[in-house]
Amino acid sequence: AQSVTQLDSQVPVFEEAPVELRCNYSSSVSVYLFWYVQYPNQGLQLLLKYLSGSTLVKGINGFEAEFNKSQTSFHLRKPSVHISDTAEYFCAVREAGGYNKLIFGAGTRLAVHP
Amino acid sequence: NAGVTQTPKFRVLKTGQSMTLLCAQDMNHEYMYWYRQDPGMGLRLIHYSVGEGTTAKGEVPDGYNVSRLKKQNFLLGLESAAPSQTSVYFCASNKEGETEAFFGQGTRLTVV
Repeated sequence: AQSVTQLDSQVPVFEEAPVELRCNYSSSVSVYLFWYVQYPNQGLQLLLKYLSGSTLVKGINGFEAEFNKSQTSFHLRKPSVHISDTAEYFCAVREAGGYNKLIFGAGTRLAVHP
Repeated sequence: NAGVTQTPKFRVLKTGQSMTLLCAQDMNHEYMYWYRQDPGMGLRLIHYSVGEGTTAKGEVPDGYNVSRLKKQNFLLGLESAAPSQTSVYFCASNKEGETEAFFGQGTRLTVV
């Protein structure tokens, strides 16, 4: 079975500052990793995903994440945040196979202040 | 292209009442899922379906039933609602062989 731990429930940051949202996972099988964003009163939107290959993946809105197999981590980063990045971010994992059932972390609420 | 559409968007139920949430997708996806989202717990899988006429239990299936009579629709039923089922429910769909799941806008359900 897989599990996901998002290490910060809330991250406050000032506009134009860099940010890192941390995610660790556990699994006994090969996995795919995802970051989703949820804006207020909206559904989830895929930011980026890691399937295989290069460990640094780039997503939408200037976000990127690095897969670290030895540390079982998939941290999300952005070098300069905007007010519009205020949202909840979810890390998720699924088996590399099977029926695409996602296991989500508890979420990190990113609050960008002017 | 509507994607994944959930109805209703909001609902208040009294304890013991029943209701059905409808999820419709127009992308011809084989896989469909129902998740619930609770504060501090992320999204948890309730039930899923890998094709028309199939359903399977997820992580938190108790108190819910599902049906997939048509490929494009996935229904989530609550036979006797309980306050513990107060949550935001999300439907998602996924094309077989592809990695990205598409989510609906959610249904906010309150059971009083």
